[in-house]
Amino acid sequence: DAGVTQSPTHLIKTRGQQVTLRCSPKSGHDTVSWYQQALGQGPQFIFQYYEEEERQRGNFPDRFSGHQFPNYSSELNVNALLLGDSALYLCASRGGGGRGNEQFFGPGTRLTVL
Amino acid sequence: AQKITQTQPGMFVQEKEAVTLDCTYDTSDQSYGLFWYKQPSSGEMIFLIYQGSYDEQNATEGRYSLNFQKARKSANLVISASQLGDSAMYFCAMREGHRDDKIIFGKGTRLHILP
Repeated sequence: DAGVTQSPTHLIKTRGQQVTLRCSPKSGHDTVSWYQQALGQGPQFIFQYYEEEERQRGNFPDRFSGHQFPNYSSELNVNALLLGDSALYLCASRGGGGRGNEQFFGPGTRLTVL
Repeated sequence: AQKITQTQPGMFVQEKEAVTLDCTYDTSDQSYGLFWYKQPSSGEMIFLIYQGSYDEQNATEGRYSLNFQKARKSANLVISASQLGDSAMYFCAMREGHRDDKIIFGKGTRLHILP
């Protein structure tokens, strides 16, 4: 049973560019959340997707957008990249029932903006 | 507003000893959940333990237990019989309400287990 997968593992972009990160949730999970983790900090909630809609959003600008596909996989898009967007981007998924309180995290995508 | 405070930036503990990682939280909600996650150098966040605000007993998961003191708004993680593989960053986190995915994380504690 595959866990949460993310691609790519690492990414280097320059300021002003756009980036797309991808996430496949754990099998059977229908809800995907994205987090940004700056170096030396705890993760910060970006947004959550369920039934292909953004259901909750953290304190992030509109440059951060996302999408969820019918197979529950998700993309995080960041436009007009800033140096401060350099971080580890984590995707987490959960499903209904059982241990619904537990979110499973992927290994993350490390984004470096030069 | 929610807030999670972890006051120990780093800890050094001898192998096989028990270790307590401190966490205090602030919320005005009656319903909330508390989590502990482990993050090894690989970066993946590993779920360790969960405590609901209405759970009457402290949560336990193998060598991990959560010392939940609701009146003090404290949710310390206790690791018994520490192992070298426990060396990692540990994050305390909280969500308000039921099944809310907007989890707020603390800044973390880096735990070093010494042989």
